[in-house]
Amino acid sequence: EEQLVESGGGLAQPGGSLRLSCVASGFTFTNYWMTWVRQAPGKGLEWVANIREDGSERHYVDSVKGRFTISRDNARNSVYLQMNSLRGEDTAVYYCSRGRDCSVWGQGILVTVSS
Amino acid sequence: DVVMTQSPASLAVTLGQPASISCRSSQSLVYRDGNTYLNWFQQRPGQSPRRLIYKVSNRDSGVPDRFSGSGSGTNFTLQISRVEAEDVGIYYCMQVSYWPPLTFGGGTKVEIK
Repeated sequence: EEQLVESGGGLAQPGGSLRLSCVASGFTFTNYWMTWVRQAPGKGLEWVANIREDGSERHYVDSVKGRFTISRDNARNSVYLQMNSLRGEDTAVYYCSRGRDCSVWGQGILVTVSS
Repeated sequence: DVVMTQSPASLAVTLGQPASISCRSSQSLVYRDGNTYLNWFQQRPGQSPRRLIYKVSNRDSGVPDRFSGSGSGTNFTLQISRVEAEDVGIYYCMQVSYWPPLTFGGGTKVEIK
């Protein structure tokens, strides 16, 4: 079964940092771009970042550029989202997804930024 | 950036009746390879999104055939031929033709009347 499992969320203070992890199983990880999408409470879906199969290309939504970094470890079938200088507006459920076209989704992990 | 606009924002449907959701893009989604990268997702209450349709009209594995996608250029439609109780949720379109950024529509909430 194709599966994505996120971890690492929780409560962070404004200006703080968190690192999200996503472990993939059930498919050949190295064949796919990987994507992070977020959903603020009661709001719609927002693409955050994605990374090429070999990690050589990364893209970000403007609102997180310079603050978030996406990376991957193909030996561990994992993708990460390092989130620095967190703001209240980063509060959301963060989903890991397979491919640029989001064909498979994880269960999501809640990130709350509050003092 | 490509702006995706969905309508209606919400839809109340009688069980067994059809439903239709519109998605419009601010520019044509036909990519230089001739494909149109427009996807539809379903998000049931309390669940993660799930892809239903890719490249306008291709159903993902396990998606009931009462779901169908159509359209071209800038106008796209998701149709449910006969709504069932399990179809309640929010539906999103997303374009993957011209990015970054990948962009989603604002969502359409489907409820049972």
